[in-house]
Amino acid sequence: AQSVTQPDIHITVSEGASLELRCNYSYGATPYLFWYVQSPGQGLQLLLKYFSGDTLVQGIKGFEAEFKRSQSSFNLRKPSVHWSDAAEYFCAVLMDSNYQLIWGAGTKLIIKP
Amino acid sequence: DAGITQSPRHKVTETGTPVTLRCHQTENHRYMYWYRQDPGHGLRLIHYSYGVKDTDKGEVSDGYSVSRSKTEDFLLTLESATSSQTSVYFCAISEPERGQGELFFGEGSRLTVL
Repeated sequence: AQSVTQPDIHITVSEGASLELRCNYSYGATPYLFWYVQSPGQGLQLLLKYFSGDTLVQGIKGFEAEFKRSQSSFNLRKPSVHWSDAAEYFCAVLMDSNYQLIWGAGTKLIIKP
Repeated sequence: DAGITQSPRHKVTETGTPVTLRCHQTENHRYMYWYRQDPGHGLRLIHYSYGVKDTDKGEVSDGYSVSRSKTEDFLLTLESATSSQTSVYFCAISEPERGQGELFFGEGSRLTVL
């Protein structure tokens, strides 16, 4: 069965430091992968997506993610975080049976001043 | 921002009472979704709709029903609310022809069942 795991419930990073949020998926074929961000009290917003092609994808707000088939991973990165990046981040994979998303449990990013 | 409005944004009710949450969109997207969000569970799909009067169940549909009589409105009904349905409910819309898996979310409706 398809699944998405985000191993880290919380991550704390100092402002200006680099960030990597982990996402592992279980899927038989080439997955369609997504990262969404949820700011406090808001709905989710799409950061970036991977369908095929270049395994390094760029998104909004300076984020990027790299698809690594050998590791079944799609980790989200940012070279230098800002206080406004404090939010919860969700990884998701698109099911091919009904085109619905399967979501990870989320990683809450805390920024230290 | 996508034109998605959820109402009410906050509701407190008692066990056993019916509750209806409304999602209204102005984007003319074909697909509409209701999710619930609970700590440690991420987002779980309750029901979704792929057109007027066309709906299907998600992974946590028990105790919920939906209706879509117009493209722009998707209603979620709890026939008899229980404390386990205390949650934050999100509506989302998508148009797969413009982007598979690309959902636009409302701001959420916080429901507390006492």
